[in-house]
Amino acid sequence: AQSVTQLGSHVSVSEGALVLLRCNYSSSVPPYLFWYVQYPNQGLQLLLKYTSAATLVKGINGFEAEFKKSETSFHLTKPSAHMSDAAEYFCAVSDQGRGADGLTFGKGTHLIIQP
Amino acid sequence: GAGVSQSPSNKVTEKGKDVELRCDPISGHTALYWYRQSLGQGLEFLIYFQGNSAPDKSGLPSDRFSAERTGGSVSTLTIQRTQQEDSAVYLCASSFRVNTGELFFGEGSRLTVL
Repeated sequence: AQSVTQLGSHVSVSEGALVLLRCNYSSSVPPYLFWYVQYPNQGLQLLLKYTSAATLVKGINGFEAEFKKSETSFHLTKPSAHMSDAAEYFCAVSDQGRGADGLTFGKGTHLIIQP
Repeated sequence: GAGVSQSPSNKVTEKGKDVELRCDPISGHTALYWYRQSLGQGLEFLIYFQGNSAPDKSGLPSDRFSAERTGGSVSTLTIQRTQQEDSAVYLCASSFRVNTGELFFGEGSRLTVL
């Protein structure tokens, strides 16, 4: 069975500071991994995805994530936080080829940007 | 339309009533998914459709929940005899095909059961 753990339900950083949102996964087969972002009163939007190509994945809005198999991690980073980054971030996993049952999501991390 | 459209955006109902939630996916997307988002619980998978068929109904919480999709397009999620624990945001997503993981979400239908 696949699962995702996001460490920290809330993360607060100052504007201009490094953003680090943690995600660890569990999967019995090589996974596909995703980060989604949800702005207030909106649906989720795909930020980036890892599908076994390059381990460092670049996404929209300056975000990137690195797949580390040895640590079973897929942490999301951004060098310099902007006020517009305040949102809920979800890590998700899919067992590639396992089936079409969509994604297994983590519980989410609420990112707060302090001015 | 350009994106996934869900209606109603907000629904307040009394315990015991039936509700229908509608999802209109992006044109040409063959896969359609329903999730439930509750405060502090993340996203809970409910059901997905490949075309008009639903190969996996295991995520539906009880037999009060049902869903259908017609014409490979619009989907309806029906909750019968609503309970207070059904209060949540119901999110619909679509994708060009299954197994991509690239889901396009609607803004959700917020259901409140009094």
